[in-house]
Amino acid sequence: EVQLVESGGGLIQPGGSLRLSCAASGFAVSSNYMSWVRQAPGKGPEWVSVIYSGGDTNYADSVKGRFTISRDTSKNTLNLQMNSLKAEDTAVYYCARPHYNYGYGYWGQGTLVTVSS
Amino acid sequence: EIVMTQSPATLSVSPGERATLSCRASQSVSSNLAWYQQKPGQAPRLLIYDASTRATGFPVRFSGSGSGTEFTLTISSLQSEDFAVYYCQQYNNWPQTFGQGTKVEI
Repeated sequence: EVQLVESGGGLIQPGGSLRLSCAASGFAVSSNYMSWVRQAPGKGPEWVSVIYSGGDTNYADSVKGRFTISRDTSKNTLNLQMNSLKAEDTAVYYCARPHYNYGYGYWGQGTLVTVSS
Repeated sequence: EIVMTQSPATLSVSPGERATLSCRASQSVSSNLAWYQQKPGQAPRLLIYDASTRATGFPVRFSGSGSGTEFTLTISSLQSEDFAVYYCQQYNNWPQTFGQGTKVEI
C-alpha cells in the first residue's frame, strides 16, 4: 500500500528556514516524479516543486531560488528545504505522487507551515 | 503558465439533484485534466483523470468530459457525501496548475 507521511512543519519567523520531509512506503521515491504541492488557507492547491525520476528538478517561480527539493533513496524520503521564508509561504504542504502520469493519485496528510512574526 | 478558471465558485444543490461544474483552461491542455474532491481537513483526492476516467473508489454518478480548453464535471444525483470542494488541475504543461475550486453545498 502506498503511504506518504509529511513532517517538519511549524511556526517560523519571516526570513527563516525550515526543512520538510515526506516518508514514503509501498513504492520507491525514485520510481516516478514526485512533487510538493501547497495549499494556503481557503485557497486552491498550488504546485511548488518536482523532482523527476532521473533527478532533475523544477520549481514554481514563487519559490525559485529559495526552495530546494531533494530525495534520499536510502531512506525513501522526499525533502523540501525552504529558505528565506515569507508570509505568503504560509500553507499546508503536501507531498504527492502521480497516478501513473495522470494527476496526483497519492497525497500525504500535509504539514502546516506558518510564517509569522 | 496556464490559468485554470472554475465556475461557479459555489454551487447550492439539493440532495438527489444534478450538479454541473465547469473548468476552463487559458490554452489547450488536450485531455490532460484531472478533477479532485476535497473535504475539510483532508488532502485532495483524485476523482477524474485524463478528463473523463473515473478514479478507483468513486461511483458512476461522477463523470468528466471535455478536451482542449473546456471541461465539465457532472454529479448526476448528489448524495450527502458529495458535498465538498472540487478542483481541476492541468498536467499538460509545467508548471502544473489548479483551479480555485467550486464548493458544492447543500
